[in-house]
Amino acid sequence: SQTIHQWPATLVQPVGSPLSLECTVEGTSNPNLYWYRQAAGRGLQLLFYSVGIGQISSEVPQNLSASRPQDRQFILSSKKLLLSDSGFYLCAWSIGAEAFFGQGTRLTVV
Amino acid sequence: RKEVEQDPGPFNVPEGATVAFNCTYSNSASQSFFWYRQDCRKEPKLLMSVYSSGNEDGRFTAQLNRASQYISLLIRDSKLSDSATYLCVVGNSGGGADGLTFGKGTHLIIQP
Repeated sequence: SQTIHQWPATLVQPVGSPLSLECTVEGTSNPNLYWYRQAAGRGLQLLFYSVGIGQISSEVPQNLSASRPQDRQFILSSKKLLLSDSGFYLCAWSIGAEAFFGQGTRLTVV
Repeated sequence: RKEVEQDPGPFNVPEGATVAFNCTYSNSASQSFFWYRQDCRKEPKLLMSVYSSGNEDGRFTAQLNRASQYISLLIRDSKLSDSATYLCVVGNSGGGADGLTFGKGTHLIIQP
């Protein structure tokens, strides 16, 4: 069966510091991969998606970037965090329209 | 108009009761529909897909009304463990999850 791993679970970072969140998927090949953000009181917002190695699509202009160095690895990064980057970050994979989420990273920028 | 709209609640419901909530969507070309469940501070998990003919999974029934552009979720004989936020999700393009739009969720509290 397919599983998705995301880490760390929680993170507190100062403004201006870099960020790297990692997500890996097991049990499937060539999945579509996604990064979402859920801010307090708001719905899930799609940040990036990838249909293959090195292929990244960005949904919204922002302070973040994503990379897919391997088929089942998806990384979310920032060079300098802003206070507004705080939120619950979720990695997901899909084959078809259904999305399956990792456990999420709760990021607090202070 | 918001793309996917839900009543945020909270819905406070006694254990054993039946509860229903709706979700409306704005894009008449939407092709796929889902209900996700999200527990506090956890990731969303797929509860069920919603088919044109309606579908049932145990105590849960989902229905789609394309003419009025809404989907519904009915929970019968509610349990304490049903307390969660229920997200309505609508797929708007070509079949991939990049076309999914998530509602903000309806918060359900089952009371003993």
